[in-house]
Amino acid sequence: EADIYQTPRYLVIGTGKKITLECSQTMGHDKMYWYQQDPGMELHLIHYSYGVNSTEKGDLSSESTVSRIRTEHFPLTLESARPSHTSQYLCASSGTTGATYNEQFFGPGTRLTVL
Amino acid sequence: KNQVEQSPQSLIILEGKNCTLQCNYTVSPFSNLRWYKQDTGRGPVSLTIMTFSENTKSNGRYTATLDADTKQSSLHITASQLSDSASYICVVSDRGSTLGRLYFGRGTQLTVWP
Repeated sequence: EADIYQTPRYLVIGTGKKITLECSQTMGHDKMYWYQQDPGMELHLIHYSYGVNSTEKGDLSSESTVSRIRTEHFPLTLESARPSHTSQYLCASSGTTGATYNEQFFGPGTRLTVL
Repeated sequence: KNQVEQSPQSLIILEGKNCTLQCNYTVSPFSNLRWYKQDTGRGPVSLTIMTFSENTKSNGRYTATLDADTKQSSLHITASQLSDSASYICVVSDRGSTLGRLYFGRGTQLTVWP
C-alpha cells in the first residue's frame, strides 16, 4: 500500500465556491501529479511537479491551480467551482531511485460534485 | 499520436473462471508497460510492470505478456475471485521525456459473479 493520501474523499459543493483538494505523500518522492478521471474514461494529466517550487500544466487544460511549497504536499485549488468540474481527481507521486524508479503511486482519489 | 487501446471494454465471468484482457499501444519511444487494478472509487494499484526486454511477468494469479514488436500486451487472470471485480488499466510509459509520461487506456471493467 502506497503512502499517499488525499482529502477529502468526497466533496459536494455549490457553484462558485473555492475549494482545495489536499494530497500528501510520505515517500519522499520528488515528482507529483494530478489526474482527472471521468467514469469509464482514461486518466488525464492536468498538473505535475518535478519538485519544490516546480509546477507544470499537463495534457488536459484545467482551470485549477497547484502549488508545491513542500516536497510532501501538492494541493490543487479551484477558485470558482462549476458543474463542469465534477469529476474524480487522483493524485500520484513517483521516485527516481530504486526498484520503483518512475513508478507512479496513486492516492485514493477525491470525488468532486459541483451542483 | 501516442495511444493505448484496451479490449474488451467490459467483461463478466463466473467465479473460478480464467480471462484475458488485451492492450494495444502506439506509444513511441517505448519505455515500459504496466497493468493497474482500480477498484471502484479508489486509485489505481500497480499489478505488473514490463520493460522492452521482458515478455512475461506474473504476480500471483495475474500474468502479463508483452510483444514489443506488435505492440500488444495481455493480462491473464487465473481462477478468478469476486475481489477481482475492478477496472484493469493498461498504462504505457515513453522514454522521450524526463517526466516519464504515462499514457492510459480506458480500462476493461471486469465483473466476477458468484
